[in-house]
Amino acid sequence: AQKITQTQPGMFVQEKEAVTLDCTYDTSDQSYGLFWYKQPSSGEMIFLIYQGSYDEQNATEGRYSLNFQKARKSANLVISASQLGDSAMYFCAMREGRAGANSKLTFGKGITLSVRP
Amino acid sequence: DGGITQSPKYLFRKEGQNVTLSCEQNLNHDAMYWYRQDPGQGLRLIYYSQIVNDFQKGDIAEGYSVSREKKESFPLTVTSAQKNPTAFYLCASSTRGQGWFETQYFGPGTRLLVL
Repeated sequence: AQKITQTQPGMFVQEKEAVTLDCTYDTSDQSYGLFWYKQPSSGEMIFLIYQGSYDEQNATEGRYSLNFQKARKSANLVISASQLGDSAMYFCAMREGRAGANSKLTFGKGITLSVRP
Repeated sequence: DGGITQSPKYLFRKEGQNVTLSCEQNLNHDAMYWYRQDPGQGLRLIYYSQIVNDFQKGDIAEGYSVSREKKESFPLTVTSAQKNPTAFYLCASSTRGQGWFETQYFGPGTRLLVL
């Protein structure tokens, strides 16, 4: 079974609107971390937001928030007030186990987001 | 400026040739990683190193080799044994865990093409 699943086809959103990018994960560990990265056409991976499995509140970073539903094993990224520069590929990733003890990340296949003016 | 540099940006390999991709970081990070990305796909881990003079195989290590002689450098060699090397290669680094949080930061990548 895939550890990280991103199944949405290419997503489109109107500028200034909000959009949700879905991510489900599979792990038997109690301790894990979830990450979202943005990859523009230039190729560099840009870290957006992190959620730890024991964090009680959903993570937020500026216009990015993570809708963490532990029982459903989902970690959806919400981008508010979309901008043209948000057009990119978005990847969900997971680290299983405690940070430091295991630093490996497993990535999903990504979702393409296009922001329309 | 602190960051991760990768060179070259584009690399061409002839059949049967070994090529080496450079990755340097000045973030004082302990851990470094190499990933491969194929078109329309996510990243797959090739090798990683959590400390100087030590490294571990990732999910797709066959046909690749690495060294970690200095904390700031983690070069990747794509050997002739790698039959399908055309891909985008990304290097990353991270701090050793502080509490529960350890983020990997990436370089700009190297695109490898086979002639």
